[in-house]
Amino acid sequence: GDSVTQMEGPVTLSEEAFLTINCTYTATGYPSLFWYVQYPGEGLQLLLKATKADDKGSNKGFEATYRKETTSFHLEKGSVQVSDSAVYFCALSDQGGANNLFFGTGTRLTVIP
Amino acid sequence: ETGVTQTPRHLVMGMTNKKSLKCEQHLGHNAMYWYKQSAKKPLELMFVYNFKEQTENNSVPSRFSPECPNSSHLFLHLHTLQPEDSALYLCASSRQRAGGDNEQFFGPGTRLTVL
Repeated sequence: GDSVTQMEGPVTLSEEAFLTINCTYTATGYPSLFWYVQYPGEGLQLLLKATKADDKGSNKGFEATYRKETTSFHLEKGSVQVSDSAVYFCALSDQGGANNLFFGTGTRLTVIP
Repeated sequence: ETGVTQTPRHLVMGMTNKKSLKCEQHLGHNAMYWYKQSAKKPLELMFVYNFKEQTENNSVPSRFSPECPNSSHLFLHLHTLQPEDSALYLCASSRQRAGGDNEQFFGPGTRLTVL
């Protein structure tokens, strides 16, 4: 079945460091891919998405490219800020009609000044 | 209120209690979802409603009983829960159920502790 595997955290970085959070997926068909972010005490918010191969999603300085050949959707940011501290979830959506979201386990990022 | 709201934000209950979680969405969406978020586990989809009809029940124990009286409101009735049911329960909504990449909007969750 469809599933997502993302790197386990926690990840601790200094401010302005480069961030990569790895995400790979298993799916039949052609899923849409998402990164959601959960700030402390809040629900999940969509950070970015990509709906087909080679698409790049971007938002708030974060980017991820849909790589069909490696079944990956790694999240990157060139220079993290303290305010980026949160839990990041990779997810995929079955395009076949059910529109279920399959989430990874989440990666906690802490950015220190 | 805007977006997706959930009440209560925190709930502590004994195993013999009956309680309900409430979710309300102010986005005009037609699909609503309940998820369970436990530490170190992926989000688990519990129930899905589309136009008030339940379209998915992911083998959830009967001690969890959902109710969707209209497209804006979703309840999760809890009865004789177990300590392992302690988790963050998240509600979400989306514009429509089937097809495409309809973004799901999440509420802040209810932190449930079962004693």
